[in-house]
Amino acid sequence: SQTIHQWPATLVQPVGSPLSLECTVEGTSNPNLYWYRQAAGRGLQLLFYSVGIGQISSEVPQNLSASRPQDRQFILGSKKLLLSDSGFYLCAWSPTDRVEQYFGPGTRLTVT
Amino acid sequence: GQQVMQIPQYQHVQEGEDFTTYCNSSTTLSNIQWYKQRPGGHPVFLIQLVKSGEVKKQKRLTFQFGEAKKNSSLHITATQTTDVGTYFCALPHAGNMLTFGGGTRLMVKP
Repeated sequence: SQTIHQWPATLVQPVGSPLSLECTVEGTSNPNLYWYRQAAGRGLQLLFYSVGIGQISSEVPQNLSASRPQDRQFILGSKKLLLSDSGFYLCAWSPTDRVEQYFGPGTRLTVT
Repeated sequence: GQQVMQIPQYQHVQEGEDFTTYCNSSTTLSNIQWYKQRPGGHPVFLIQLVKSGEVKKQKRLTFQFGEAKKNSSLHITATQTTDVGTYFCALPHAGNMLTFGGGTRLMVKP
């Protein structure tokens, strides 16, 4: 069966510091991968998605970036965090031939 | 661009009462999905509706796709405390992406 991992689970970072969040998927190959951000009590905002290694599409212009160095690895990063980057970051995957998405446990980021 | 409205934003019910959340799209949809997010958790896929007028049931949950494929509803019969969470509809766009509604947060008083 397929599983999706995210780490760390929680993170507190000062303004201006760098960020690296990692997401890995097991039990499938060539998945579509997605990064979302969810502010407290709000909906899901799609940040990036990827259909293959090195292929990244950005949905929202911001100071975040994403990379997909391996087929089942998706990384979200920033060179300098802003206070507004605080939130719940969710990674998701979907099979290439289906549209439903499966979410990881998420990372709660607090920028102080 | 595609717009989705989900109502209500919040709903408090007494345990045993019914609950319904509605999702409306500005465009005709090929399909619609529903997800549930428990407090502190991550969204979990519940179901996908594809056909016009389709009705699907999962125990006490009934999902319906409108005849014009522009709206959908999720109805919970006789809510339980385990139903607490936020329910999101999600609309496909640009192939592999989803646009999520704002969600309906359900609170159940025991």
